[in-house]
Parts: sequence; C-alpha cells; structure tokens
Amino acid sequence: NAGVMQNPRHLVRRRGQEARLRCSPMKGHSHVYWYRQLPEEGLKFMVYLQKENIIDESGMPKERFSAEFPKEGPSILRIQQVVRGDSAAYFCASSPLAKTGPNTEAFFGQGTRLTVV
Amino acid sequence: AQRVTQPEKLLSVFKGAPVELKCNYSYSGSPELFWYVQYSRQRLQLLLRHISRESIKGFTADLNKGETSFHLKKPFAQEEDSAMYYCALVLRGATNKLIFGTGTLLAVQP
Repeated sequence: NAGVMQNPRHLVRRRGQEARLRCSPMKGHSHVYWYRQLPEEGLKFMVYLQKENIIDESGMPKERFSAEFPKEGPSILRIQQVVRGDSAAYFCASSPLAKTGPNTEAFFGQGTRLTVV
Repeated sequence: AQRVTQPEKLLSVFKGAPVELKCNYSYSGSPELFWYVQYSRQRLQLLLRHISRESIKGFTADLNKGETSFHLKKPFAQEEDSAMYYCALVLRGATNKLIFGTGTLLAVQP
C-alpha cells in the first residue's frame, strides 16, 4: 500500500491562475480530509469528503476554493484565481471509516507546497 | 471554542537529556488527543494517542484533565528524535476532524 499520494509536491502559480491539487487516498479508504498549513501556523481543517459527497466544508474559504472526490479518481482541491495569501502547504489525509471509535487513524500525504508569485 | 496550544516553537536539547513538549487544549467535551510527528522530508505520521496509553519510541504522554494538558515526554533524547511534533485534538462526530497545535520543532544536539 503506497500510502496517501499527493501531487504535485510543489506547485508554483502566478497570481490569477488556477491551482489543482490531487490526493489519492490509501487503498480501501473512502474518506478524505484536506488541511492547510499557512507559514508559522498549525494545520487547519478545510474540508471532509466521502466519495461523491462533501460532508463538511466549514473550513473552506467562501470564494475561489472548491473540492471534489469523484467516484473514480483522486480527490481534487481547486483554487481559482490564486492570490499570494494562498501560498501554503496543503495536506490530504484519508481514513477508512467515518463514525468510528478511538482506533480511527487518519493517514497523511506528504503535502503539496503551493507558492503564488 | 476548541483549541490546541503548543507554546514552544523550538525546543533544543542535548542527546541524552530529558524532553518535554508541551500541549494544552481547550474543549468542552471529553477530549481525545494525539501526537503527530513529521521527520525531515517525510509525511506527518501518528506517534501516539492518549486512549492507547502506549509508549512509542520511548515517548509517553498523559492526559491531565485538571490542567487540560497532554505533554509529550521522553527521558533520554536521541538525535533521531529531531523532528516537528504536532499535538492534535479530534472532534468526534460526523466529521472526526483534527484540531492541530502550531507544532514544536525538537532539535536534539549531539
């Protein structure tokens, strides 16, 4: 099992361009989380998705950000018209189950470092 | 509001010295806390969780509800312990999302 795969590892975009970040969860995992880490800050929850459903997007900025997790293929975090403040590390985590007991563990990808120039 | 606080950005110790990475939390319910570690150029990985009451790589952490703390301790630091350490609180419910602290960089000097 290759673990949670994120690509690209590094992404440079000019202001106004679109950024697409991909996350392939671990085999057998149907729950995906996206977190953002701004410089000098901890990871902040953005969105939680199950296959074809957004369950909780309470951490997503209201504009320009969207996420999807289609039936086939990776989860995508899309940022339209990027601005300098979007520069951050974006982490994806996957989990096999949602409502579980204490033994649930979220497995993280290596992150995508987005730089907006 | 739920919050996790790690007051130290950097903790530098010598090899063989004791280590304590501080973590305090704010949560109205029954907390469930974790320590994650990120070694250089590697992914974030779970180190330990308070429910398991386990010791991993010599690290332990005890939940103190009175002080709302979950400090990570190791009696004798090793150079390979140098990494970024994050304390996290899980919000059990429909989402199970994690609330992270800002992290502490542990640097173990030879």
